[in-house]
Amino acid sequence: DAKTTQPNSMESNEEEPVHLPCNHSTISGTDYIHWYRQLPSQGPEYVIHGLTSNVNNRMASLAIAEDRKSSTLILHRATLRDAAVYYCILKNTGNQFYFGTGTSLTVIP
Amino acid sequence: ETGVTQSPTHLIKTRGQQVTLRCSSQSGHNTVSWYQQALGQGPQFIFQYYREEENGRGNFPPRFSGLQFPNYSSELNVNALELDDSALYLCASSLGYGDITDTQYFGPGTRLTVL
Repeated sequence: DAKTTQPNSMESNEEEPVHLPCNHSTISGTDYIHWYRQLPSQGPEYVIHGLTSNVNNRMASLAIAEDRKSSTLILHRATLRDAAVYYCILKNTGNQFYFGTGTSLTVIP
Repeated sequence: ETGVTQSPTHLIKTRGQQVTLRCSSQSGHNTVSWYQQALGQGPQFIFQYYREEENGRGNFPPRFSGLQFPNYSSELNVNALELDDSALYLCASSLGYGDITDTQYFGPGTRLTVL
């Protein structure tokens, strides 16, 4: 199972962009990079995923390094509702998601 | 479109007892995965069911077992409960082999407390 490394916690001011980093130096060529977030007292929620190219959706952007050994989840304007634990996960052709301990994001009003 | 639902929401059991947790998958999904999330930790993969067959298992003992039904709903059974089984149990459904990325959609979880 491929491993990811994330900071334990980060803070951001409301309405400002947030860049959440993730290192995955052991990534293989077929691993997709997934991001999920877990709001308090809820199950994890899909945010975004990518393979090689940067990705954008209505929730966030995913920037993937050229060597794919790291990625960054970008929230363009943090809101109080974005306060959550963010998980970076590598998913290969197998059937298991391996969650780490994630990054706890605090948004300051 | 109905999302993933789980029942019950909360449950209290005593050590040595058995428990059954239930999950209804999202419409159109044929794959269900179960996770255990201890307080302050990320979810840990227990097992996955695809079309009623176990399709992968994490590092959990055999007293953790499951079922998937023809309508793709699922049960997680835990026998001989231990204090360390106290956790949030999450169910997630996905398209499985119909989606190479296997994006998973989680339910709200069942909070199990073992006394």
